[in-house]
Amino acid sequence: AAGVIQSPRHLIKEKRETATLKCYPIPRHDTVYWYQQGPGQDPQFLISFYEKMQSDKGSIPDRFSAQQFSDYHSELNMSSLELGDSALYFCASSPRGSGGPQSYEQYFGPGTRLTVT
Amino acid sequence: AQTVTQSQPEMSVQEAETVTLSCTYDTSENNYYLFWYKQPPSRQMILVIRQEAYKQQNATENRFSVNFQKAAKSFSLKISDSQLGDTAMYFCAFTPIYNFNKFYFGSGTKLNVKP
Repeated sequence: AAGVIQSPRHLIKEKRETATLKCYPIPRHDTVYWYQQGPGQDPQFLISFYEKMQSDKGSIPDRFSAQQFSDYHSELNMSSLELGDSALYFCASSPRGSGGPQSYEQYFGPGTRLTVT
Repeated sequence: AQTVTQSQPEMSVQEAETVTLSCTYDTSENNYYLFWYKQPPSRQMILVIRQEAYKQQNATENRFSVNFQKAAKSFSLKISDSQLGDTAMYFCAFTPIYNFNKFYFGSGTKLNVKP
């Protein structure tokens, strides 16, 4: 079965640089979520999109922005990178519009490991 | 506010034995979903099991089962016949039905299955 695809898998950037993370949800999934997981931490919700509209916003810094495109893929743009942004960034998708219990399940991608030096 | 608490940072179990991971949560919502996710060393987050709060019957998925106590706001995961491949970080997660825009995660329990 198709899974959530994230690219790149690894990214190394220097302080003050910008980074763009991409997420391709499972086909027919209309909702995308972004999470940040620091070392030894649980995933922290950043932002979500449903049908290309921002659905909810969590602890996302103002330096970060995201959007969902017409093909449902999503991009997380990170500017003025700081050392503290080094983390594993997960994208998850769900079939929210389908209704039923399965619409509440989130399927995670393999993550993008961002290292800021 | 919604909070999820996993009070066991780390646990060990012998292969083929049974282990129970604890999770409690706090919410004023009546309708919600609870999940257990597994994160092995590869760091991939894998859905283990889902429980609907409106269902009294505990969910089961092969060797994985839950003990859902709604009044006590408790949601434990039981792993039977533990296997080496079960070694992973396990996260309990909660999402309210009114707003299934995000998961609230617990801090995780690291499970070590020993041969």
